[in-house]
Amino acid sequence: QKEVEQDPGPLSVPEGAIVSLNCTYSNSAFQYFMWYRQYSRKGPELLMYTYSSGNKEDGRFTAQVDKSSKYISLFIRDSQPSDSATYLCAMMPFNTNAGKSTFGDGTTLTVKP
Amino acid sequence: NAGVTQTPKFQVLKTGQSMTLQCAQDMNHNSMYWYRQDPGMGLRLIYYSASEGTTDKGEVPNGYNVSRLNKREFSLRLESAAPSQTSVYFCASTPTGLGGYTFGSGTRLTVV
Repeated sequence: QKEVEQDPGPLSVPEGAIVSLNCTYSNSAFQYFMWYRQYSRKGPELLMYTYSSGNKEDGRFTAQVDKSSKYISLFIRDSQPSDSATYLCAMMPFNTNAGKSTFGDGTTLTVKP
Repeated sequence: NAGVTQTPKFQVLKTGQSMTLQCAQDMNHNSMYWYRQDPGMGLRLIYYSASEGTTDKGEVPNGYNVSRLNKREFSLRLESAAPSQTSVYFCASTPTGLGGYTFGSGTRLTVV
């Protein structure tokens, strides 16, 4: 069983919809939680970075971490066609040796005009 | 532009050939990483370097070697390429080893 499981998708929504992307994990040592966006044939780009539990908001994006349930989410409000991409969750323990992240497999999102 | 630069962007190798993938960052980051990305398998860590002068194996190191040439550069070498090494390779870096990475744009490698 993988340490990080991500909803596989694909996900298709109309423009303006609220999108919810989710990951679960099994390693209780994970303390750092990241979301990356990856456009087709490009490298991943860091979107959100959260330490421990709670919410973090950045514009239309909100990251939530629930460590008691080992569940993280990324919400996208007022989704735009430019949000169409693959979204990767990633996690890292606090006592990591050199910041090795464990990634989910990604959820591909399409936002239709 | 500041960031992580990978060369080459595309490469086709024959089975048994060798090659080196180059990576350089100009952000004064301490830690650098090599990942491969395959459909259905996500990003898997090949090797990493916590700081200049150190390197360690990741999840899938077999068939690869690395060199941390200096603080800026971290290269990945395939000594004898195999079709199973067909993949997209990403280099990444982070300032302190905690938190999010900055990724390069990737090298698409095909081994025939």
